[in-house]
Amino acid sequence: DGGITQSPKYLFRKEGQNVTLSCEQNLNHDAMYWYRQDPGQGLRLIYYSQIVNDFQKGDIAEGYSVSREKKESFPLTVTSAQKNPTAFYLCASESRENTEAFFGQGTRLTVV
Amino acid sequence: DAKTTQPTSMDCAEGRAANLPCNHSTISGNEYVYWYRQIHSQGPQYIIHGLKNNETNEMASLIITEDRKSSTLILPHATLRDTAVYYCIVRENQGGKLIFGQGTELSVKP
Repeated sequence: DGGITQSPKYLFRKEGQNVTLSCEQNLNHDAMYWYRQDPGQGLRLIYYSQIVNDFQKGDIAEGYSVSREKKESFPLTVTSAQKNPTAFYLCASESRENTEAFFGQGTRLTVV
Repeated sequence: DAKTTQPTSMDCAEGRAANLPCNHSTISGNEYVYWYRQIHSQGPQYIIHGLKNNETNEMASLIITEDRKSSTLILPHATLRDTAVYYCIVRENQGGKLIFGQGTELSVKP
């Protein structure tokens, strides 16, 4: 089945450690996105990529990094520079025509 | 920044129509209106989008005013499963990044 997959669903890390969240899609979509969601809040854009080997910062990119070496994959690294990394992270993808974005089920990251 | 304004919360009786408003007074000619919803702790789900004509699909109807400065999402017969946060988004159809605002929390009550 086609879709977008985030893994893991829950992730625990110690403060000061970098952690990478996975996002894979087999929908042949060009564009991919990473969002952060805090309790009771809307989604905030971290990074997005419209095409392979290219990506742009969103509204809250500080402390995060991404790569887009393959069309199917858009991993997000939460670095130790991110002051408050505990949050719900969502990945999305959509076609070039931008008619409908598909979201993964999210990764809930807890840093202790 | 989000280009839309929505009420923070709304209630609707089960079986009645839910009408969710959205203001987008600064919308430009090539921007579309999109609606997504997010059920608690899940990824958002696409509902519908439109440019200037009213649109309808199996989930909802979208009514856009003639001046395009506001729109209304209509769920014709709301069920308890429609309880969610509904996001109205304005963006270009090709190449425009997907920016979410705070959304409207819709509670459908028995």
